Amino acid sequence: KNEVEQSPQNLTAQEGEFITINCSYSVGISALHWLQQHPGGGIVSLFMLSSGKKKHGRLIATINIQEKHSSLHITASHPRDSAVYICAVRSGGNQFYFGTGTSLTVIP
Amino acid sequence: GAGVSQSPRYKVTKRGQDVALRCDPISGHVSLYWYRQALGQGPEFLTYFNYEAQQDKSGLPNDRFSAERPEGSISTLTIQRTEQRDSAMYRCASSPFGVQNEQFFGPGTRLTVL
Repeated sequence: KNEVEQSPQNLTAQEGEFITINCSYSVGISALHWLQQHPGGGIVSLFMLSSGKKKHGRLIATINIQEKHSSLHITASHPRDSAVYICAVRSGGNQFYFGTGTSLTVIP
Repeated sequence: GAGVSQSPRYKVTKRGQDVALRCDPISGHVSLYWYRQALGQGPEFLTYFNYEAQQDKSGLPNDRFSAERPEGSISTLTIQRTEQRDSAMYRCASSPFGVQNEQFFGPGTRLTVL
C-alpha cells in the first residue's frame, strides 16, 4: 500500500472546467507539497501546506490534517494546465513519500 | 544561476561502470535533496542535506549509492557498479532552509544503463 494515494490517475477536462485532484495519505506529516510536472519533464513546486488553504492565481490547495486529505483545485482550466500533478508529503519521521501523480489533459 | 542546475543532462553508461551526477543548487539555499524518478512513476526520495551534513539517507536503495556535499553547495550523487535497474531520471532540488520550505527542482539527469 502506498503511503500517498492520488485520485483520479487520469483526468480529461474541457477548457474552462473546474478541476479537483485529491490526495490522501496514511502517515503523520509535517508538510504536504503539490508539484506540477510538465510534459517536458520539468517539475515545479506549486504549494507547500501544513494547514488550511493556499491560493495562487487559478490554483487553490487545501488540506485537512484530521482527515489526512488534501485537494488541489484549478478554476477556469486552460490547455496549458495540462501536466502531471504530484502530491508529496514529509512525514513526522523525516521520510518523504510521493503519490504516483494525476495526469491532467485540458482540451480546448 | 537563477535556478537549480544539474549535469550532465543525459548520461548513457554500460553496466558495471560508476557514474557521478552533479547538482548545483540555487545560491544560498541551505537544503539540497536528491530524488529518483522511474519512467511513468512518481519521484522517490533518496537523500537530503542541510549545509554539508547529510540529514537523511534512508532512501538510498543500497550501498552502491552515495552522495556528498562537502562545501555545503554543490552536491554529487555517485552510483557505483551501475545496473540496468538504476536507469531513471535523477532530480535534485534545493530550498532556503529545511524541509518546511518549498523546493525548487532542477531539470534532472536522465541516466540510462545499458
